[in-house]
Amino acid sequence: DVKVTQSSRYLVKRTGEKVFLECVQDMDHENMFWYRQDPGLGLRLIYFSYDVKMKEKGDIPEGYSVSREKKERFSLILESASTNQTSMYLCATNPSGPDTQYFGPGTRLTVL
Amino acid sequence: GNSVTQMEGPVTLSEEAFLTINCTYTATGYPSLFWYVQYPGEGLQLLLKATKADDKGSNKGFEATYRKETTSFHLEKGSVQVSDSAVYFCALILTGANNLFFGTGTRLTVIP
Repeated sequence: DVKVTQSSRYLVKRTGEKVFLECVQDMDHENMFWYRQDPGLGLRLIYFSYDVKMKEKGDIPEGYSVSREKKERFSLILESASTNQTSMYLCATNPSGPDTQYFGPGTRLTVL
Repeated sequence: GNSVTQMEGPVTLSEEAFLTINCTYTATGYPSLFWYVQYPGEGLQLLLKATKADDKGSNKGFEATYRKETTSFHLEKGSVQVSDSAVYFCALILTGANNLFFGTGTRLTVIP
């Protein structure tokens, strides 16, 4: 079974803090994704990575950056957290190509 | 552009009732179609998928048929259970692409 883990289930941060969300997968998949999930908006893609040190912007990259130094780990960084970044963040992974994505359990981030 | 539209919830049904959740799509190419399910407190997991026109995906008593002529992929189940209570997401991915396009999700509550 594919296992995708995220570093925290719940996180509370203050406005202006730098926030790191970590995602680790154990299946040697090339592709990794970061989404945010908001009520009434579904899932929106922030960034994805198709290889180590490679990244592409998704639909809503503003205010976020990512890092992929190792194949199994994909980090989402909020350089200066703002209240409108309060959301559920979901990491996903899949082998290369258009295929089923496997999701982590999510991190619910609250920015005060 | 590419988008997925699914019926707004919430949907509340009695146990053993028939379920339909409508999903239609717009795509610039030839998509594969997916239904994902999110149980309370968990990440998304694949429920079923179909990769070409007239394919039927099925799993756990749920099924959906890829209808190219109506650009639809409606989710159905003949007899729902309390354990089916969850949020259901319809999604598409284009051939050759890496990222999924999600609908806004439909929350289903099944009452005994």
